[in-house]
Amino acid sequence: KAGVTQTPRYLIKTRGQQVTLSCSPISGHRSVSWYQQTPGQGLQFLFEYFSETQRNKGNFPGRFSGRQFSNSRSEMNVSTLELGDSALYLCASSRTNRDYGYTFGSGTRLTVV
Amino acid sequence: AQTVTQSQPEMSVQEAETVTLSCTYDTSESDYYLFWYKQPPSRQMILVIRQEAYKQQNATENRFSVNFQKAAKSFSLKISDSQLGDAAMYFCAYRSARGGGGADGLTFGKGTHLIIQP
Repeated sequence: KAGVTQTPRYLIKTRGQQVTLSCSPISGHRSVSWYQQTPGQGLQFLFEYFSETQRNKGNFPGRFSGRQFSNSRSEMNVSTLELGDSALYLCASSRTNRDYGYTFGSGTRLTVV
Repeated sequence: AQTVTQSQPEMSVQEAETVTLSCTYDTSESDYYLFWYKQPPSRQMILVIRQEAYKQQNATENRFSVNFQKAAKSFSLKISDSQLGDAAMYFCAYRSARGGGGADGLTFGKGTHLIIQP
């Protein structure tokens, strides 16, 4: 079966712009989590969605937001991009928000210039 | 807040030998999950092994096994018969089992870069 699909794979944006990243979970998975990976801070939890509701949120500013649709696909949005937002953004899906058998996508590499 | 520490930034092992990656964590909770993930250059995080804290028995998946010491808050990964395809970044991760709202998600260590020498 298809894995977790993240689009686009690569993205270059200018400081001050906004960006939207997409994640399609494995069929039947209803929970989607997002992580930011940078060389300095490592992997950090952004937020988790289940049944179109945000269940958990990490310590990121309000510029980072997300949503989940009825088909479980999720998007995350970053507004007013800063250079420090350059990172690999990883999405992970699981059957429910209490099932910790996460499957990750290959990520979106965002570069802010 | 929970923390996960991987004290070995890089490890090198000869092909076919055994290597152990270290991980310690800090938590005040009694119910949680621990994971080892592998991230090759393709960037995708791949689950290697998972351990439920309430289980005494150490998890094993083929050549991969863990040594889970709950009292010591230690969770090391042993890779037996190392293969070239094992070369990757390895991340130890913690997840509270309590669920609900808050900042719950996976807490990762900084990773260990594993090099396999042919």
